[in-house]
Amino acid sequence: EAGVTQFPSHSVIEKGQTVTLRCDPISGHDNLYWYRRVMGKEIKFLLHFVKESKQDESGMPNNRFLAERTGGTYSTLKVQPAELEDSGVYFCASSQLTPTGRDNEQFFGPGTRLTVL
Amino acid sequence: GNSVTQMEGPVTLSEEAFLTINCTYTATGYPSLFWYVQYPGEGLQLLLKATKADDKGSNKGFEATYRKETTSFHLEKGSVQVSDSAVYFCALEDNFNKFYFGSGTKLNVKP
Repeated sequence: EAGVTQFPSHSVIEKGQTVTLRCDPISGHDNLYWYRRVMGKEIKFLLHFVKESKQDESGMPNNRFLAERTGGTYSTLKVQPAELEDSGVYFCASSQLTPTGRDNEQFFGPGTRLTVL
Repeated sequence: GNSVTQMEGPVTLSEEAFLTINCTYTATGYPSLFWYVQYPGEGLQLLLKATKADDKGSNKGFEATYRKETTSFHLEKGSVQVSDSAVYFCALEDNFNKFYFGSGTKLNVKP
């Protein structure tokens, strides 16, 4: 079974440009999460989809970030326009829905390393 | 608010040495606690977890005990191997299914 995949693995762009990151979750996983790790600091939650709906987007830093999950399958995270402080590693994770919503293992992708120059 | 604090790295050990990576947390309610590991070039993988106080999670020779009284979840392994070299993340899941991660601790094991 394929794991969570992310594309691209690396992206180097200039300040002001637009970048779109993609995440393909494990097939059948309704939960999809985006996280970010900036400069070796803690991994921070960005947002959570349940199927195609945004369940929690409290971690999105500002309106330059737009996440979508049309059809409830893969997700994209667009940064427009990118700023220097957006550099970091963006992780995607997916998990199954459980009756309690708790303790369901999140499976992570390898991450996309974004560098904004 | 909820947060996780873990010891800064890198931690460098010789093969077969004893490993401890400290992790403490702040949380409201009754969180579940996790250790994730990231090997070079790969995504985070769940290493072990504990869902309530005094539970011990264990896997691949690693273990951690959920200590509510000290709000800690320290990771230990009795004898590390070169293949254990990776970045280790402590995390908690709150009552709303939201995860909070620590900053990660890089472990280097030398032969």
